[in-house]
Parts: sequence; structure tokens; C-alpha cells
Amino acid sequence: AQRVTQPEKLLSVFKGAPVELKCNYSYSGSPELFWYVQYSRQRLQLLLRHISRESIKGFTADLNKGETSFHLKKPFAQEEDSAMYYCALIGWGNTPLVFGKGTRLSVIA
Amino acid sequence: DGGITQSPKYLFRKEGQNVTLSCEQNLNHDAMYWYRQDPGQGLRLIYYSQIVNDFQKGDIAEGYSVSREKKESFPLTVTSAQKNPTAFYLCASSRLGGQRNYGYTFGSGTRLTVV
Repeated sequence: AQRVTQPEKLLSVFKGAPVELKCNYSYSGSPELFWYVQYSRQRLQLLLRHISRESIKGFTADLNKGETSFHLKKPFAQEEDSAMYYCALIGWGNTPLVFGKGTRLSVIA
Repeated sequence: DGGITQSPKYLFRKEGQNVTLSCEQNLNHDAMYWYRQDPGQGLRLIYYSQIVNDFQKGDIAEGYSVSREKKESFPLTVTSAQKNPTAFYLCASSRLGGQRNYGYTFGSGTRLTVV
């Protein structure tokens, strides 16, 4: 079964501090992983995807197959990073995206 | 605007009523999805459809129904059998076979409240 676990419901950090949002997954094959972000009063949007190896808004995420993790990191948090973050997984074939329960990031000035 | 339109933005339902949430996309995506978003629960899949006139149940399909008569449209009906319908409902779409590369595009959501 596919499962995504985000252990923190809420993460509070000070502006300028490093941020790490944890994501662990369970999948027997080779998944593709995504991070989605939902800012206040905005629609859910794709932040980054493993396959593209991008860095968006200073965020990066590395897939660690040994630890089955896809943690989201940013070296210096900004107030505008405050939002709800969801880690998501998709398996092979046309199976639907599976989401974690989300982590609310609050960046304190 | 984003290619996926959900309406209405807010919807109030009386006990025992059925209501239908609209989702339309102009992205020419084959696949469409309905998720329910509750605080602390993340996004849970209700139904999805990968081709016209076909759809599959997700993890929490009980009390919901869908149709896919046109590629562009995937309405969700919340029936009176749904015991706890108050939630935020999100519609999404994707290219079939492309979701591993591109993920989904989401609508802005409908907030349903039972009164």
C-alpha cells in the first residue's frame, strides 16, 4: 500500500532559521514524490517535484530511498513561507496521487 | 485562471439534501479527481476518472457520486447518505501518463457547510 507520513502537524521557526519539513513514504516500487504548498486563501500548488531536481523559492528536497524519505529543506526561512505543506507520492501506472496529512509552517518574525 | 474552475465557492446544505459541486477544466487533461480536505486529515481521494464515462472509487467514496459525461467536466454530488459532509472539496486534473512528471493542477475549492 502507498502511504505518506508527515510527522509534524505544526512547525514554527524564526525568520532566517533553517527549515526542514519531514516526509516519509511507504511504497514497494519506485515512486515519484512531490511537495505541494497552500498559502492562505490560495489554491494548492505544486512547489517542487523529485523528478526535476529543481529548487523553488529556495526550497530543495532530496529523495533518500534507503530511509524512504523526501524531506523539504530551506536554509533561511522567510515570513512568506508560512503556509500548509503537503508531501505526495505517485506510483507506477495511472494510480492517483496520495497525500500526507500536511504540516503547517509558521515563520515568526 | 489556472484552467480548473470550481463552483460555487461556498455552499450550504440542509440535512437530507443532495448537492452538486461543479468542476470544469480547459486544460485538455484526461484525468480528473475529487479530494476532500479536512484539518489534520490532509487530502483524501473521493473519486477519480481517467476517461469519459468511466470513474473509480477512491478511499472515501461512500455518500458521494460522480459523473463524467464530458472530458471537461467532473461534477461531484454529495448525497444525504454522507454522514459528515462539512468540508473543503478540491478538484484536480492531470495528463494521463504525465502525472508522474507533472503532478496535478488543482481548482480553488468549494467549502460545503451543512446547516
